[in-house]
Amino acid sequence: AQKVTQAQTEISVVEKEDVTLDCVYETRDTTYYLFWYKQPPSGELVFLIRRNSFDEQNEISGRYSWNFQKSTSSFNFTITASQVVDSAVYFCALSDLGSGNTGKLIFGQGTTLQVKP
Amino acid sequence: EAGVAQSPRYKIIEKRQSVAFWCNPISGHATLYWYQQILGQGPKLLIQFQNNGVVDDSQLPKDRFSAERLKGVDSTLKIQPAKLEDSAVYLCASRKGQGALSYGYTFGSGTRLTVV
Repeated sequence: AQKVTQAQTEISVVEKEDVTLDCVYETRDTTYYLFWYKQPPSGELVFLIRRNSFDEQNEISGRYSWNFQKSTSSFNFTITASQVVDSAVYFCALSDLGSGNTGKLIFGQGTTLQVKP
Repeated sequence: EAGVAQSPRYKIIEKRQSVAFWCNPISGHATLYWYQQILGQGPKLLIQFQNNGVVDDSQLPKDRFSAERLKGVDSTLKIQPAKLEDSAVYLCASRKGQGALSYGYTFGSGTRLTVV
């Protein structure tokens, strides 16, 4: 069975602090995709990144960076120099290529990030 | 490119009433998903369509939920009769293909349902 765990329910930081959101996943498949989404108060899910299981290179995009470690089944997300606009709920998600390759996403419970001015 | 359109944006109904949600995916997207997001949880897949055929409805409570995708374009999700625990945001998403290499997932803004 596939599962995504985001152990941090809520995180509160002060603006300009760095913050890391943790994500641990479980899957029996050797080929899969991992995602991060942002859900601001308006409710839409905003795509941040997709990573396939064969690409363990870390990625940086502006103030965002992602650390994928297959050995620990983790895909952590770091925001550097956080800003108030980063306040949102962040979801980690898994999509495997089993089950007929349906592409369905399995989401974690989400981490609510509050960045205070 | 226009996004995934959903309506209504909000809906409040009494328990045992029926309700329907509508989704218009991105033009040309063959795969359409309905997810249910209960407050404080991540979205959970209810049903997936490939064109107008159902691919996965294993998590759909079929005694009260139904969905269709006529002509492989728009989709409607219905709840009849609604229960208090159906209060959630219903998200529609579409994707161009079904395979792993066609991952452009796009979500709509969702319909927030409150059952009182």
